[in-house]
Amino acid sequence: KAGVTQTPRYLIKTRGQQVTLSCSPISGHRSVSWYQQTPGQGLQFLFEYFSETQRNKGNFPGRFSGRQFSNSRSEMNVSTLELGDSALYLCASSLDQGSETQYFGPGTRLLVL
Amino acid sequence: AQSVTQPDIHITVSEGASLELRCNYSYGATPYLFWYVQSPGQGLQLLLKYFSGDTLVQGIKGFEAEFKRSQSSFNLRKPSVHWSDAAEYFCAVGALGFNKFYFGSGTKLNVKP
Repeated sequence: KAGVTQTPRYLIKTRGQQVTLSCSPISGHRSVSWYQQTPGQGLQFLFEYFSETQRNKGNFPGRFSGRQFSNSRSEMNVSTLELGDSALYLCASSLDQGSETQYFGPGTRLLVL
Repeated sequence: AQSVTQPDIHITVSEGASLELRCNYSYGATPYLFWYVQSPGQGLQLLLKYFSGDTLVQGIKGFEAEFKRSQSSFNLRKPSVHWSDAAEYFCAVGALGFNKFYFGSGTKLNVKP
């Protein structure tokens, strides 16, 4: 079974721009979570989607948003990029609502200049 | 408040030596505990998990971890470290029904030949 895939793997943007990252979960997995990883803050939970609905949300500003499609694929969007948004964005999928184990993708490395 | 503490930021061990990485958690509900490993520029790979039952759990790559409720700890161990174990290790805590995990700040393991 293929793992979690994320596209693109690397991205360079400038301040003020917006960006969309994509995540395809493991086949059959219906829950997708997003995390931001930075050297200073570590791994921080952004949000989780299940059946196209946002179920959990972390403490990030409204510039960070996401959605999930009927095939469970998910996108996250960051608008009005700031330098501090430079990070590795990780997507994780799990089987269903309440599933205990998350499987992570390789991440998208975003650099904001 | 939920939190995970990994008190050791960096650890260096010689190849063949034993390893113990510490993890302490604070969580309001019954915790589900995980250890993940991350190689440079990569996503997170699940090493092992604890939900209930036997407090000593076995994982992949020869790792094991012991859950000690009285100490709120979930330390990761390996009897003999290999050079390929050099990576960053993350402890995480979550709860059944909530795909929102809290991660520790990570421990970077360096293996000396």
